Amino acid sequence: AQRVTQPEKLLSVFKGAPVELKCNYSYSGSPELFWYVQYSRQRLQLLLRHISRESIKGFTADLNKGETSFHLKKPFAQEEDSAMYYCALPTSGSRLTFGEGTQLTVNP
Amino acid sequence: EAGVAQSPRYKIIEKRQSVAFWCNPISGHATLYWYQQILGQGPKLLIQFQNNGVVDDSQLPKDRFSAERLKGVDSTLKIQPAKLEDSAVYLCASSLVGGIANTGELFFGEGSRLTVL
Repeated sequence: AQRVTQPEKLLSVFKGAPVELKCNYSYSGSPELFWYVQYSRQRLQLLLRHISRESIKGFTADLNKGETSFHLKKPFAQEEDSAMYYCALPTSGSRLTFGEGTQLTVNP
Repeated sequence: EAGVAQSPRYKIIEKRQSVAFWCNPISGHATLYWYQQILGQGPKLLIQFQNNGVVDDSQLPKDRFSAERLKGVDSTLKIQPAKLEDSAVYLCASSLVGGIANTGELFFGEGSRLTVL
């Protein structure tokens, strides 16, 4: 079955420390993967997509087909990065399937 | 530009009652989605419309949930009768034609939080 898994529900780091939010997927074929973010009291929004190979707000994510992973990374976390992060994968046609999410807290 | 609008923001009902949620997508967005997000879980797609046609409703509990998108713009999601397990945030999202295939970007509303007592 096509699915996306985020193994950590909670992740806490200190400001300035590196952060990595894990995402593993199960998919037959070449997947498209996305990271969505929801800041406190804001709407769920797209952070980045792997096909663009872009860096948004200092975050990057590399698709590793060998490990079937799409981890989100940032070298120096900031307090404003505290949010809920969701990894997402299109499954069964155009349905976007979300992981369970990881709550990131960046402590001062 | 105006974002996806949803109402009501909050609704509390007793089990077996009915409830309806409304969504107005971003102007020009042909694809509209309803997601259910239960506390502690990721959003789960209930139904996807392309204009006023249903693309995917395979995860919609059709014995109690219904949705329509008349004229290909606004949409309503109805639950009748509600169960305790329907307590969740109902998110509406929209995207351009073939949104996921082209850009992967869904634009979400603020959500409607339902509590069933």
